[in-house]
Amino acid sequence: AQSVTQPDIHITVSEGASLELRCNYSYGATPYLFWYVQSPGQGLQLLLKYFSGDTLVQGIKGFEAEFKRSQSSFNLRKPSVHWSDAAEYFCAAVTGGFKTIFGAGTRLFVKA
Amino acid sequence: DAGVIQSPRHEVTEMGQEVTLRCKPISGHNSLFWYRQTMMRGLELLIYFNNNVPIDDSGMPEDRFSAKMPNASFSTLKIQPSEPRDSAVYFCASITGTTYQETQYFGPGTRLLVL
Repeated sequence: AQSVTQPDIHITVSEGASLELRCNYSYGATPYLFWYVQSPGQGLQLLLKYFSGDTLVQGIKGFEAEFKRSQSSFNLRKPSVHWSDAAEYFCAAVTGGFKTIFGAGTRLFVKA
Repeated sequence: DAGVIQSPRHEVTEMGQEVTLRCKPISGHNSLFWYRQTMMRGLELLIYFNNNVPIDDSGMPEDRFSAKMPNASFSTLKIQPSEPRDSAVYFCASITGTTYQETQYFGPGTRLLVL
């Protein structure tokens, strides 16, 4: 069955430290991959997306993600976290049709 | 552009009552999605429309749920009768075209509590 897994329910990092959020997918073919961020009480906002080509994708707010086919992964990274990055992050995938499958989300806490 | 607009933002109702959630997609967008978010099940796609036509409603949990899109600028999600297990945040999203590579723009959500 198609699935998207985010192994970490929550992560705490210090402000200024680097961040990596993990995402693994299980699909018959390589899906299109997305990372969204959700701030409290808000809808989801797209950070970045990968369809093909360069496996390192740059997004908004200084985020990047790397697609690794061999590991079925699409991990999100940021070199230096800011307090305003505290939010919930969702990895998502879609193949044919519009049925996007979201991971369970990873809540990021940033400590001063 | 005002973005995707949802109303109400919060709804508290009693079990058995009818609930109607509303969504106005971004002007010019051709496809609209309804999602439900709960702690237990995460974010689930309920139904999506393309050019006002329902394309896939396989995510609608049961017959108590129905969705309509009478025109390009308005959609409703109705629950009748509502049950406590329907308590969740319901999101509407829209995209400009008809390909799934497009970015989905989400509304702020409607937080529903059924007592």
